[in-house]
Amino acid sequence: AAGVIQSPRHLIKEKRETATLKCYPIPRHDTVYWYQQGPGQDPQFLISFYEKMQSDKGSIPDRFSAQQFSDYHSELNMSSLELGDSALYFCASSRTEGLETQYFGPGTRLLVL
Amino acid sequence: GQSLEQPSEVTAVEGAIVQINCTYQTSGFYGLSWYQQHDGGAPTFLSYNALDGLEETGRFSSFLSRSDSYGYLLLQELQMKDSASYFCAVLDTGRRALTFGSGTRLQVQP
Repeated sequence: AAGVIQSPRHLIKEKRETATLKCYPIPRHDTVYWYQQGPGQDPQFLISFYEKMQSDKGSIPDRFSAQQFSDYHSELNMSSLELGDSALYFCASSRTEGLETQYFGPGTRLLVL
Repeated sequence: GQSLEQPSEVTAVEGAIVQINCTYQTSGFYGLSWYQQHDGGAPTFLSYNALDGLEETGRFSSFLSRSDSYGYLLLQELQMKDSASYFCAVLDTGRRALTFGSGTRLQVQP
């Protein structure tokens, strides 16, 4: 079965640089989520999209933005990177009738030096 | 807001049974989910309880008591591969988002 695809899997950036993370949700899933997980922490909700429209925002910094495209893939854009942005970034997808059952991608490990 | 509390660590031996508890405080409640996450891996959905009672899926069972704002995950016949972090989670009221507990790190010993 198809799973959520994320790229890149690993990313190393310098402070103040920009990063773009990509996510391809499971086909026919109408909702996409982005989560950030620091070392030893639980996943923190950043933002979600429903049918390509922004649905909800969580603790997403103003330096970050995201969008979902016509082919349903989503991108998380991160600018002016800080050391504290180093984390695992997960994309997840679900259907509206099962929002509690979210399927997570393998994550992108971002290291900011 | 939402808050979920669960123990930080649990240790058990192979073949044993372990219970991971979760208490929650939410402004609205739809149900309680459980996710498993191995080190460096992605969270994987295990179970969901919308109604009171026990849900069984193979070696894993999950229980919910809405009146007590409490649930637990029960793992039976523990195997080494069950060593992972386990998170309880709730849907945010009116939002397409999950709030996770802080996670319970389960270590299964031989």
